[in-house]
Amino acid sequence: SAVISQKPSRDICQRGTSLTIQCQVDSQVTMMFWYRQQPGQSLTLIATANQGSEATYESGFVIDKFPISRPNLTFSTLTVSNMSPEDSSIYLCSVTAGENTEAFFGQGTRLTVV
Amino acid sequence: AQSVTQPDIHITVSEGASLELRCNYSYGATPYLFWYVQSPGQGLQLLLKYFSGDTLVQGIKGFEAEFKRSQSSFNLRKPSVHWSDAAEYFCAVGAYGGYNKLIFGAGTRLAVHP
Repeated sequence: SAVISQKPSRDICQRGTSLTIQCQVDSQVTMMFWYRQQPGQSLTLIATANQGSEATYESGFVIDKFPISRPNLTFSTLTVSNMSPEDSSIYLCSVTAGENTEAFFGQGTRLTVV
Repeated sequence: AQSVTQPDIHITVSEGASLELRCNYSYGATPYLFWYVQSPGQGLQLLLKYFSGDTLVQGIKGFEAEFKRSQSSFNLRKPSVHWSDAAEYFCAVGAYGGYNKLIFGAGTRLAVHP
C-alpha cells in the first residue's frame, strides 16, 4: 500500500485568498486524484492530476478555481483559489498504482474559509 | 450514468449485534466495487474490494461483502459489531474510462450502542 502525506492537515483562511495543498506519496504511482468532501457530504472527484500535463477536470470544476500541478510521479498540489465560505470542505488526495488496483487516500486537508 | 445509492443515512446497532449496510449501484458493465470507512477526523481506509471472481469478498476488521449482479448490490456485513466500528461507511464504484476514478455513495453513519 502507498503512504500518502497531505499538508496542511487543516487551515482557516480568509475569503478571497488562495491555499495550496500538497500531496506526497512514498512510492511512484500511476494515478493521482483530488476529491472534495463538503460538510456532511460524500466525496466528489475534482480532477485527475496528470504528470507533466494539465489536469483533467470533472464537470463543475475548472482550472482557474482549482489549479493542479503534478511535476513527478510522487507529488501533486491542489490550489483553491479566490476562496469563499462555500469552499469550506475536506480536500483529499488519492493515488493508485494502476488499473485493477485500489485507491488509497491521504488524511485530508480540512479547510475553513471565513 | 454511473451512480451509487446507500439508502441508509444513519444506522444504530448494539455492540455485538450483526450489521448489514446496503449499497446499490448503477453501472453498464461489470463494476469495480469498494467499501471504505472514515473515522472522525480521518481519511478513508479501504475495507474491501471486488474486481472479479468470488462474489463473497472478505475484508479487514472482520467485514465481508457480497456482490449480487442480479440485484445490482454490494452490501457490507459484519457478524458482530464492536464499539470501534462506529464511523462513516462509503460504498464506491469505479467509473467508466478509468477504473481508479471513484463514484461514491452518500455514506452511512454507523453508531454503536454499548
